[in-house]
Amino acid sequence: GAVVSQHPSRVICKSGTSVKIECRSLDFQATTMFWYRQFPKQSLMLMATSNEGSKATYEQGVEKDKFLINHASLTLSTLTVTSAHPEDSSFYICSAIDSTKGGMNTEAFFGQGTRLTVV
Amino acid sequence: QQPVQSPQAVILREGEDAVINCSSSKALYSVHWYRQKHGEAPVFLMILLKGGEQKGHEKISASFNEKKQQSSLYLTASQLSYSGTYFCGTGPGGYQKVTFGTGTKLQVIP
Repeated sequence: GAVVSQHPSRVICKSGTSVKIECRSLDFQATTMFWYRQFPKQSLMLMATSNEGSKATYEQGVEKDKFLINHASLTLSTLTVTSAHPEDSSFYICSAIDSTKGGMNTEAFFGQGTRLTVV
Repeated sequence: QQPVQSPQAVILREGEDAVINCSSSKALYSVHWYRQKHGEAPVFLMILLKGGEQKGHEKISASFNEKKQQSSLYLTASQLSYSGTYFCGTGPGGYQKVTFGTGTKLQVIP
């Protein structure tokens, strides 16, 4: 299957600093990528939909100024957690859809996830 | 509002069967099933697109009842590798704005 690479897999940062997480589709082009957040023992919650060349669409309750998303190319989307605080500590996961497959029911491929710890 | 899964957790012995249910308060256009191991990303199992559809391999299969807004995942002759948390996912259409269910933690023991 297609590969989505997410980097870094783990990051520890100090409160108040910013952290950037990258999501790359390695062998396909993805005009749409999704960012999820998962707190311990909870489900995945969709944060935003990242669209290549346009602004991301954020879910209700997600602060767009805090979670900056950039999707500048067909293979890369980045999520920047700005002014991170301990409550932002979570598992962040991206997924991507192969643009060439088309249709709304195409399988999404997940990155490995990023464990963010803010101290 | 996310779909509700039942049971929340289940422990099986190798070789036993299990059923995981997913129920939505909103109309379902498609249902996806995923398995997630601790500390890892979810792995896609299957997607069901039409009401009444059943899908899967001989040991892991699923059904989708569009009218009841429910889906069930069937695990037969469970193996140790089946352990993990299972999530159903729903959306207004395919993978757009997928909402994940509450999750079911499955543990298979020898």
